[in-house]
Amino acid sequence: SQTIHQWPATLVQPVGSPLSLECTVEGTSNPNLYWYRQAAGRGLQLLFYSVGIGQISSEVPQNLSASRPQDRQFILSSKKLLLSDSGFYLCAWSGYIRAEAFFGQGTRLTVV
Amino acid sequence: RKEVEQDPGPFNVPEGATVAFNCTYSNSASQSFFWYRQDCRKEPKLLMSVYSSGNEDGRFTAQLNRASQYISLLIRDSKLSDSATYLCVVNMEDTGGFKTIFGAGTRLFVKA
Repeated sequence: SQTIHQWPATLVQPVGSPLSLECTVEGTSNPNLYWYRQAAGRGLQLLFYSVGIGQISSEVPQNLSASRPQDRQFILSSKKLLLSDSGFYLCAWSGYIRAEAFFGQGTRLTVV
Repeated sequence: RKEVEQDPGPFNVPEGATVAFNCTYSNSASQSFFWYRQDCRKEPKLLMSVYSSGNEDGRFTAQLNRASQYISLLIRDSKLSDSATYLCVVNMEDTGGFKTIFGAGTRLFVKA
């Protein structure tokens, strides 16, 4: 069966520090991969999605970047965090256009 | 215009009530549709897919109107455990492949 791993679960980082969140999927090949952010009390905002290795589509301009160095690995990064980067970051995967998405447990990031 | 829009909520209903959530989407080429449920501080989880002919799962009924680009979710005989945020989700083709877009969610509070 397929599983998705996302870590860390909780992170507190100072303003201006770098960020690296990692997500890996097991049990499937060539998944669509996603990074979402959810601010407190708000909906999910799609940040990036990827249909294959090295292929990244960015949905909104921001202080973040994403990379997919391997088929089942998706990384969210920032060189310098802002206070506004705080939120709940969720990685997800789906198999094909008609398929539902499955989420990792999320990383709660607080920038202080 | 947002790609997926939902009732803002929150909905406060007594146990046993029937509650309806509505959702509209802007991309007529959207391929598949889902309702997710998100509990506080947790990742979203698939509640049910939405099929063109409408579908039912116990107390939950989902409907799709492609002509109006409208999706609905009906919950009958609400339980306390139904309290959560309900997210409307649409898969659509994009220049970068396909992507999964979430509505902002509607929060439901079921009271005793």
